[in-house]
Amino acid sequence: KAGVTQTPRYLIKTRGQQVTLSCSPISGHRSVSWYQQTPGQGLQFLFEYFSETQRNKGNFPGRFSGRQFSNSRSEMNVSTLELGDSALYLCASRLTEKNYGYTFGSGTRLTVV
Amino acid sequence: LAKTTQPISMDSYEGQEVNITCSHNNIATNDYITWYQQFPSQGPRFIIQGYKTKVTNEVASLFIPADRKSSTLSLPRVSLSDTAVYYCLVGGLGNQGGKLIFGQGTELSVKP
Repeated sequence: KAGVTQTPRYLIKTRGQQVTLSCSPISGHRSVSWYQQTPGQGLQFLFEYFSETQRNKGNFPGRFSGRQFSNSRSEMNVSTLELGDSALYLCASRLTEKNYGYTFGSGTRLTVV
Repeated sequence: LAKTTQPISMDSYEGQEVNITCSHNNIATNDYITWYQQFPSQGPRFIIQGYKTKVTNEVASLFIPADRKSSTLSLPRVSLSDTAVYYCLVGGLGNQGGKLIFGQGTELSVKP
């Protein structure tokens, strides 16, 4: 059974650009969450999607957005990149919104220069 | 979700048992306690989850006292590969479960 797949694994972008990250959950999992991890702030929740609807949102500016497709795959978009957006972005999936078992992907390492 | 407090770091030697305690004084009645392990540049990996008393799996044991205001993750006979950051989380099922709140975690260093 394949795990949570995140692409790309590494990414370098310039300030002001935008970026789209992709996450494919475990087959059958319908909930996808996104997290940002930095040395200073640790792991912070961005948002969660279930059945193509955003169910929960963290305290991030509107430059951070996401969506989920009918096949449960999810994308996260960050517009007008800032140096402080450099981080490891992690995606986690779970079976349903009533399930507490999360599986994380290996993340996308984004570097903004 | 309840806030958790764990030691920032711990050192151990190969073959020893390691116990990491987490405080969660404001745990709610329907909250579960979950521990994750994270290696550098990888996503957190689920280790164990419990509600009360003791839970054991092939990797670790989780001890939860009757008042549930703390919990202890026990790693038997650690090896160098157990060097990682360990996170304790508390939370319930349902919609709020989608927002995991990670603390600073405990950085465990296992030495030969």
